[in-house]
Parts: sequence; C-alpha cells; structure tokens
Amino acid sequence: RKEVEQDPGPFNVPEGATVAFNCTYSNSASQSFFWYRQDCRKEPKLLMSVYSSGNEDGRFTAQLNRASQYISLLIRDSKLSDSATYLCVVNEKTSYDKVIFGPGTSLSVIP
Amino acid sequence: DAGVIQSPRHEVTEMGQEVTLRCKPISGHNSLFWYRQTMMRGLELLIYFNNNVPIDDSGMPEDRFSAKMPNASFSTLKIQPSEPRDSAVYFCASSLIPQASPLHFGNGTRLTVT
Repeated sequence: RKEVEQDPGPFNVPEGATVAFNCTYSNSASQSFFWYRQDCRKEPKLLMSVYSSGNEDGRFTAQLNRASQYISLLIRDSKLSDSATYLCVVNEKTSYDKVIFGPGTSLSVIP
Repeated sequence: DAGVIQSPRHEVTEMGQEVTLRCKPISGHNSLFWYRQTMMRGLELLIYFNNNVPIDDSGMPEDRFSAKMPNASFSTLKIQPSEPRDSAVYFCASSLIPQASPLHFGNGTRLTVT
C-alpha cells in the first residue's frame, strides 16, 4: 500500500459545481497535513493546512479524520481558475521528519 | 522575501555531459529538499537536508546523482554523466521545520538531455 493515496481523477466539472477530493494515508503516526495546488508547468504551492478541527478558507474546506486516516478537500462554486492538480501532503515523524506527497488529482473546471 | 531561487530555469545538454542545478533556500529555513517530477512518476523526493546535513538520500536514483549543501544558503544537485532518462523538472524546496511547516518550492529547472 502506498503511503499516501488520492482519487485517481481526472475530475471534469462545470463552473459552479462542488467537488470533493479524498486522500488516505497509511501511517497513523502522521502529524501534519496539507493540500497543495500545482498548475501546469509550475511549482506546487501551498493551498491550505489541514487542522484536526477542520478549516475553511473561502470556497475551500479541508477536513481530517484521524480514525479513518483520510483528509478531504471540498471546493464550492468551482471557478475556471481552480483547474489544476491538487496534491495531498502528509508529514510523518519517524526517525526524522518525513514529507510525503500524494500522486495528485487533476481537476478541470469547464465553462 | 525572495522565495526559493533555482537556476538555471532551463537546461538542455547532451548525453554524457555534467549538469549542475543550483538552489538558494529561503533565508532562515533549516530544511531543504530536492524533488524530480515527470509525467510518468510524478513528484519524487531525491534528497532531504536538515541543517545542511543529508538526512534522507534514499531517493537519489544512482551514483550519477550527487547533492551538496555547503552552507545554509546554497545547495547543488549534480548529475554526471547525464542520460536522456534524467530529463525532468527538478524542484528545490525549503522549510523552517518540516514537521509543522509547509514546503516552499522554487520555480524548478526543466532539464532536457538529448
């Protein structure tokens, strides 16, 4: 089993739609979680951190379920500019701090 | 804040040549990461430094790859000799404390080996 797995995608949704991405992680000792966004031919950029209580930033909501070892990202009222690849990132505390990126899920928002 | 600075942005070289990629992390960050990204394999961690010391180099493909961090403000990734299968985008990222701090990526170096 891979350390971090994501919905394979691609997701093609119309403007205004609500879309949700899930990410599962295998190490129960994982301590920090993030969602990154990567545009085509650009570097990954932090979208938002994921807190245990869940957090919201405008149209974006992230949630963490430690018992089931998954995190989610909900995008409401999708915009064309939301088209990108969304990467789930998990920090593990092993003998050192290990940062693990998921394979990413591609989103295309269609006019 | 200038962000993570990588150079060059693009590199085209012939098979067998030495390639050196450079990275300047964000000032004050104590962790530096080198990643490689291809369509087929996605984002792969090559090596991770903490306080200039290599902590995890298990992702370095083979002996042709080497990385150094002589000081807190500079790192290099060297490929010698280069091969066509090394063609990819190489990203450098830095972080203050990985455990609770997100990574900040540079713009990447797009390497093409012919």
